[in-house]
Amino acid sequence: KAGVTQTPRYLIKTRGQQVTLSCSPISGHRSVSWYQQTPGQGLQFLFEYFSETQRNKGNFPGRFSGRQFSNSRSEMNVSTLELGDSALYLCASSGGQGGNSPLHFGNGTRLTVT
Amino acid sequence: LAKTTQPISMDSYEGQEVNITCSHNNIATNDYITWYQQFPSQGPRFIIQGYKTKVTNEVASLFIPADRKSSTLSLPRVSLSDTAVYYCLVGAFGSGYALNFGKGTSLLVTP
Repeated sequence: KAGVTQTPRYLIKTRGQQVTLSCSPISGHRSVSWYQQTPGQGLQFLFEYFSETQRNKGNFPGRFSGRQFSNSRSEMNVSTLELGDSALYLCASSGGQGGNSPLHFGNGTRLTVT
Repeated sequence: LAKTTQPISMDSYEGQEVNITCSHNNIATNDYITWYQQFPSQGPRFIIQGYKTKVTNEVASLFIPADRKSSTLSLPRVSLSDTAVYYCLVGAFGSGYALNFGKGTSLLVTP
């Protein structure tokens, strides 16, 4: 099975712009979650989608949004970029049902805001 | 949401066994314990998962005492390539979770 695929791998944007990141989950996985990783804050949960519905959301401002399509692929959007949004953005998929469905991560999108 | 506590860092020599303990005092009945390994600029990789007692796979063992308030990841005979950050996660996946990875344990393996 192919793993979780995130595109693009690297992005450089300037302050005030907006960006969209893409995630293709493992085939058959219906849950997709997003995380932001920075050296200072570690891995922080952004939100999780299951069958096109957002099931849970972390403590991030409304500039961070996401969606999931009927084929379980997901996109994450960040508007009005700030320097502090520079981070590794990770997507993970799981079967989404049952207490023992571990997360499978992609290798992330490295976003640099200048 | 169960809070986890792990050592910030650990050092080991090649060939030794490494045990990393994670405390999770407020673990809920439905929660599973999962460990991940992360290398720089890569996503975390699933290592092992358990609910109670002991679980073993080809790369690690996971020991969980009866009260489930802690767990220990055991890496037998580590090599230089095991240098990574290890995260302990506690949660009931699949029910709309908001997982807290914490800062993890940075393991350094030297010759």
